[in-house]
Amino acid sequence: NAGVTQTPKFRVLKTGQSMTLLCAQDMNHEYMYWYRQDPGMGLRLIHYSVGEGTTAKGEVPDGYNVSRLKKQNFLLGLESAAPSQTSVYFCASRGLGLAGFYEQYFGPGTRLTVT
Amino acid sequence: AQSVAQPEDQVNVAEGNPLTVKCTYSVSGNPYLFWYVQYPNRGLQFLLKYITGDNLVKGSYGFEAEFNKSQTSFHLKKPSALVSDSALYFCAVRANTDKLIFGTGTRLQVFP
Repeated sequence: NAGVTQTPKFRVLKTGQSMTLLCAQDMNHEYMYWYRQDPGMGLRLIHYSVGEGTTAKGEVPDGYNVSRLKKQNFLLGLESAAPSQTSVYFCASRGLGLAGFYEQYFGPGTRLTVT
Repeated sequence: AQSVAQPEDQVNVAEGNPLTVKCTYSVSGNPYLFWYVQYPNRGLQFLLKYITGDNLVKGSYGFEAEFNKSQTSFHLKKPSALVSDSALYFCAVRANTDKLIFGTGTRLQVFP
């Protein structure tokens, strides 16, 4: 049981290049999330998905797109990278929860630098 | 709107001393509150949560948190700090059924 995995772990892009970050989970979770972490700003939600085939905008969605074609995968795309997108990106997932709100499980992160 | 605040960027404590990491929240309705820990170059790990019930919640690694409704606080505590507890700690509140809102994080440094 690998939990939440992210590919790649590190990446350097030039301004204007595109890339896709892959998140995979093997816990059969319904919900998946993409966050970015920047110093002094905590975690900010980019996009999320409440189930296969669904996506929704989070707090900072501009410049990013996502897709959830399969329940276990959640892809984050940068169509034209900008230096402001230099950050550490985390994926998370969680189950439905019988009562209350289940905790989120996080991947190890992807460190992206845009030059 | 739901929000959470962590007033301290860093907390320093000597090993063996008790530690407290502060969190205050603002929600409409009943609060669902969480603490996560992040070790260097790792993702966040769930520590504990408050949904309802006893105001003192126990979690992983000997941590506990005290929910105080009148002070709208959810402070993380540990009776005796370890050097290995040094990490970045995040408080979070449920924004709605789908999302959490995270605080800006507090770096805990435990000195030998």
